[in-house]
Amino acid sequence: DTAVSQTPKYLVTQMGNDKSIKCEQNLGHDTMYWYKQDSKKFLKIMFSYNNKELIINETVPNRFSPKSPDKAHLNLHINSLELGDSAVYFCASSQVRAGDPFFGPGTRLTVL
Amino acid sequence: AQSVAQPEDQVNVAEGNPLTVKCTYSVSGNPYLFWYVQYPNRGLQFLLKYITGDNLVKGSYGFEAEFNKSQTSFHLKKPSALVSDSALYFCAVRDRGGTSGSARQLTFGSGTQLTVLP
Repeated sequence: DTAVSQTPKYLVTQMGNDKSIKCEQNLGHDTMYWYKQDSKKFLKIMFSYNNKELIINETVPNRFSPKSPDKAHLNLHINSLELGDSAVYFCASSQVRAGDPFFGPGTRLTVL
Repeated sequence: AQSVAQPEDQVNVAEGNPLTVKCTYSVSGNPYLFWYVQYPNRGLQFLLKYITGDNLVKGSYGFEAEFNKSQTSFHLKKPSALVSDSALYFCAVRDRGGTSGSARQLTFGSGTQLTVLP
């Protein structure tokens, strides 16, 4: 199936740990994104990559580091996890000109 | 800077009645406008978008939205609501003429929880 997939779907971890979330898209899109949805459901972009290059990096702590090994993958690595990092993280992809992202199912991160 | 306002956190409507979910936007140029829906514990699903042309846009699941440039609005509508329409709805905007990285990204509203009562 053509889609945006994320792993894991759920992630529960302790404060201070380092974790990664993986994202893959097989839609042939040239732009990938990470969004954070907080407990109030507010959705905010974190990163955007176009052809493996970072094109936007919103005000995000440098504990968050995106890594794009190729156009189809954009992984999110988080160092020294904090309680406030608990949220749902969505990966998405789009063609730049079209602009409407296709979202993955989300990863619910809980930091204890 | 571009922004989106969804003035209602919650909309309740009886099944079979028409529904409206409100959205207003602000961009420096002309907008691309979008509606997404999020069902519980699911990702966002694309409903419809306005790019250019006819101000009335038809989308998935019987939804439609009307672009009103003078009122800078893009309200989501459906003639007859279903219980299965109950979900969280997001309006989003992108500046059509945006050239900077930030302007090319979608900006989402805060979401409106639609509850359709049986």
